[in-house]
Amino acid sequence: AQSVTQPDIHITVSEGASLELRCNYSYGATPYLFWYVQSPGQGLQLLLKYFSGDTLVQGIKGFEAEFKRSQSSFNLRKPSVHWSDAAEYFCAVLGGSARQLTFGSGTQLTVLP
Amino acid sequence: NAGVTQTPKFHILKIGQSMTLQCTQDMNHNYMYWYRQDPGMGLKLIYYSVGAGITDKGEVPNGYNVSRSTTEDFPLRLELAAPSQTSVYFCASSNRNSGANVLTFGAGSRLTVL
Repeated sequence: AQSVTQPDIHITVSEGASLELRCNYSYGATPYLFWYVQSPGQGLQLLLKYFSGDTLVQGIKGFEAEFKRSQSSFNLRKPSVHWSDAAEYFCAVLGGSARQLTFGSGTQLTVLP
Repeated sequence: NAGVTQTPKFHILKIGQSMTLQCTQDMNHNYMYWYRQDPGMGLKLIYYSVGAGITDKGEVPNGYNVSRSTTEDFPLRLELAAPSQTSVYFCASSNRNSGANVLTFGAGSRLTVL
């Protein structure tokens, strides 16, 4: 069965600083990987996805993620964080009998002024 | 295009009561899912459906039931509510025929059991 680990429960960065959120996955075949963002009291918004091809994928809001098969990782990055990026971020892998998403436990991002 | 619509957005339930969370999608998606979200736990799959008339258990199905009589609707029923079912519930849908399918999520239903 697939699984996703997000090692960092909470990360705090200053506005304008760079950001990297870590994600490690376990999946037997070629993974389909996703990053979602959830603002307080809101639903999940898709930031970006990786299906195949270029291992560096671009998403919305200036985010990017890099798929590294050798490290089973799909880390999310942003060069300069904005206060509006404060939210919870979820990494997920697609698979299983119902093609369902399996989520990591999330990383809460706090942005300091 | 409304996407995935969940009702109610908020609800308070007493222990032992029953209720149904409604989910409907207008994208003609064949796959539908129910997840619950608890703090620090991410989202866990409760039940899923691959088409009308077909449902199956996910990771945390105990205490819940579902039905899929139409392509559009996928209600989640709590028969005897317990405090452990206090959570935020998300419904999602996807189109399996699109290959590496992307799930579309509803806005969530926050349920409190007292």
